[in-house]
Amino acid sequence: KQEVTQIPAALSVPEGENLVLNCSFTDSAIYNLQWFRQDPGKGLTSLLLIQSSQREQTSGRLNASLDKSSGRSTLYIAASQPGDSATYLCAVRASGYALNFGKGTSLLVTP
Amino acid sequence: NAGVTQTPKFQVLKTGQSMTLQCAQDMNHNSMYWYRQDPGMGLRLIYYSASEGTTDKGEVPNGYNVSRLNKREFSLRLESAAPSQTSVYFCASGRNTDTQYFGPGTRLTVL
Repeated sequence: KQEVTQIPAALSVPEGENLVLNCSFTDSAIYNLQWFRQDPGKGLTSLLLIQSSQREQTSGRLNASLDKSSGRSTLYIAASQPGDSATYLCAVRASGYALNFGKGTSLLVTP
Repeated sequence: NAGVTQTPKFQVLKTGQSMTLQCAQDMNHNSMYWYRQDPGMGLRLIYYSASEGTTDKGEVPNGYNVSRLNKREFSLRLESAAPSQTSVYFCASGRNTDTQYFGPGTRLTVL
């Protein structure tokens, strides 16, 4: 069974810092990996999708990388803002249609 | 576009009662999913429908049934609710194995 782990579980940084969130998975035979954002009491918003053949994807201040062979992905957030405060979830599609989710990293960006 | 909509937003049931959670999407997606999210457990797939007319079990299907009514709608039914089914339920849709788009969630409490 695919296991997805996210480290750290929680992170607090001052505004303006660059930061990295980590995601690791146990089975490298994946189709794609997706990063989501979840605000308290809300649904999930897709941030970036990386196909298994890709190494990275970028959207604005966000950059996600994928190293399939080592079973790792990172989400890099540049110049963090208080509005970035949320829980960030990593999800791996190993086979078929199901996504396997990590438990998330709770990010707090302080002014 | 409304995206993925879910009703109701909140529900309280007594043990043994039944109810149906409704989900609809207006993005013409083939695939639809039901997840539950519990503290410390992350999101887990209950059931999914790869296309209209098909449904398959996910990681935690026991105690639930689903119906893919048409391409737009995918409902989740609890026949006899149990306290262990207290959770936040999310519906999602996607174009086959690409990005999944999530609804706002239903917060269910079973007393």
